[in-house]
Amino acid sequence: GESVGLHLPTLSVQEGDNSIINCAYSNSASDYFIWYKQESGKGPQFIIDIRSNMDKRQGQRVTVLLNKTVKHLSLQIAATQPGDSAVYFCAANTGNQFYFGTGTSLTVIP
Amino acid sequence: DVKVTQSSRYLVKRTGEKVFLECVQDMDHENMFWYRQDPGLGLRLIYFSYDVKMKEKGDIPEGYSVSREKKERFSLILESASTNQTSMYLCASSLLSKLAGDRYFGPGTRLTVL
Repeated sequence: GESVGLHLPTLSVQEGDNSIINCAYSNSASDYFIWYKQESGKGPQFIIDIRSNMDKRQGQRVTVLLNKTVKHLSLQIAATQPGDSAVYFCAANTGNQFYFGTGTSLTVIP
Repeated sequence: DVKVTQSSRYLVKRTGEKVFLECVQDMDHENMFWYRQDPGLGLRLIYFSYDVKMKEKGDIPEGYSVSREKKERFSLILESASTNQTSMYLCASSLLSKLAGDRYFGPGTRLTVL
């Protein structure tokens, strides 16, 4: 199986600063990873994904880094905005299953 | 935009009641999923369906059943609701393989069983 965990349940950042949210997974066979954003009262929304043959992938203001050696991935949000306040969680694909982390609640301070 | 809708945002039921949670997607997606989301736990897969009338158990199917009579609709059924089924229930759909990340989620139904 797989266990996926986030390092901090909550994170507060100043508006305009960069945010880093971390996630650890346990199974070295996990080969595909996704970051989701879940705003209050809404379902999770896909942000960015990365396959295990990559170390880094960039989107619009977001970057995902994958370190397979220590089984760790991170989500970096540049110039964090109030609209980025949400719960962020990662998911890891192992075999034919997705395993979801518990989430980090990001609060952006104006 | 893909739209996944769930019949209720909030639901309160009594122990022993039969509960139906409905999910509808409007993008002709093959795959549909039911998850529950609890504090301190990641999303856990209850059931999924990769075609009409087809279903597979997820990680925690006990106490639940599902129905997929039409492609766009996937129902989760609690035959006899219990208090430990109080949770947030999320429906999702995807076009590609169930392994892919193109999972679109509905807004969730917060079910309370008294």
